[in-house]
Amino acid sequence: EAGVTQFPSHSVIEKGQTVTLRCDPISGHDNLYWYRRVMGKEIKFLLHFVKESKQDESGMPNNRFLAERTGGTYSTLKVQPAELEDSGVYFCASRQGGKFGYTFGSGTRLTVV
Amino acid sequence: DQQVKQNSPSLSVQEGRISILNCDYTNSMFDYFLWYKKYPAEGPTFLISISSIKDKNEDGRFTVFLNKSAKHLSLHIVPSQPGDSAVYFCAASNAGNTPLVFGKGTRLSVIA
Repeated sequence: EAGVTQFPSHSVIEKGQTVTLRCDPISGHDNLYWYRRVMGKEIKFLLHFVKESKQDESGMPNNRFLAERTGGTYSTLKVQPAELEDSGVYFCASRQGGKFGYTFGSGTRLTVV
Repeated sequence: DQQVKQNSPSLSVQEGRISILNCDYTNSMFDYFLWYKKYPAEGPTFLISISSIKDKNEDGRFTVFLNKSAKHLSLHIVPSQPGDSAVYFCAASNAGNTPLVFGKGTRLSVIA
């Protein structure tokens, strides 16, 4: 079974530019999560999809962040315009309904300069 | 306000000895606790978990202890091996359906 795939693995952009991160969850996993880790800090929750619906987006920092999961398959997280404090590693995780285990992707390291 | 706290950013242990990683939480509604292990350039991988109805769960060299009254859990690795060197994250959830809340992680170095 393929794991959770994220790309790009790294992205370096200038302040003010737009970046779109993509996550392909494990096939059949209805639950998809986005998390972010800023250097040395905790892995912080951003939002949770159940299929194509946003179940909880309480962790989204501000309206510069937009997440979508059209068709309930892969998800994208767009940052527009990017700011310096958006730098960090963005992790995606998926989970099968009724089970507890999260499977994480390898993350996208975003650097805003 | 951090709900899950790992107060030791790093820990060094000799190979063969016991590693003890600690975690404290503040939210008394948490009822499921997990430890994740993370190598550089990889995502966190699940290691072991414990439900609030238990006080101990063991899986091979890994044991997690939960002290609900103290809102404290710990991960014991014995014997420690160099391959255990990684960052360990403590995570907690309420009712299993709320997103996991993570601590800042503890970097474990096992020295041969």
